[in-house]
Amino acid sequence: GAVVSQHPSWVICKSGTSVKIECRSLDFQATTMFWYRQFPKQSLMLMATSNEGSKATYEQGVEKDKFLINHASLTLSTLTVTSAHPEDSSFYICSARRAAETQYFGPGTRLLVL
Amino acid sequence: AQKITQTQPGMFVQEKEAVTLDCTYDTSDQSYGLFWYKQPSSGEMIFLIYQGSYDEQNATEGRYSLNFQKARKSANLVISASQLGDSAMYFCAMREFFGNEKLTFGTGTRLTIIP
Repeated sequence: GAVVSQHPSWVICKSGTSVKIECRSLDFQATTMFWYRQFPKQSLMLMATSNEGSKATYEQGVEKDKFLINHASLTLSTLTVTSAHPEDSSFYICSARRAAETQYFGPGTRLLVL
Repeated sequence: AQKITQTQPGMFVQEKEAVTLDCTYDTSDQSYGLFWYKQPSSGEMIFLIYQGSYDEQNATEGRYSLNFQKARKSANLVISASQLGDSAMYFCAMREFFGNEKLTFGTGTRLTIIP
């Protein structure tokens, strides 16, 4: 299957700092990448759709100024959590769409804001 | 709006037995795709199987098969000869073919295989 990486896998930071998470498609080009958030024992909730070369499309209720998304190339999308607070602590996972059907997911990033 | 329903929050199955994980969906679209993903405790989402709404045959991938009943709007995952490594969360998801083609996930089923 296709390989998608995320970095870092773990982040612990102080409240008020910004955290950048990278999502890379390693062996294919992805015109579209997706960012999800998953709270413990819950399902994945889509935060935004990231299209290469254009602005991201955010889901209702997701603050675009707080969760900055940049899709600068066909293999890289970044999510920056600005001025993180404890309520932003979660599991963030990206996916990249390779073909018409399937999204492949990265391994996820666990964020803990103290 | 799309909706995915997984009614089994948890299941316990004896090793080597077959298991069926239920998934029903609701959509007004004629073209859509249905997916199953496995999420072990490590957190990664592992793609298992895909079924297109126009596919006439049920999808199969190794020990995984998808029991697609379009009229009932159900897409159950069947795992044959279960193994201890199958213990994980399983998510059913649907993708619309138009718009931004995002995935909508169900709430998941936690499967535990008993030795």
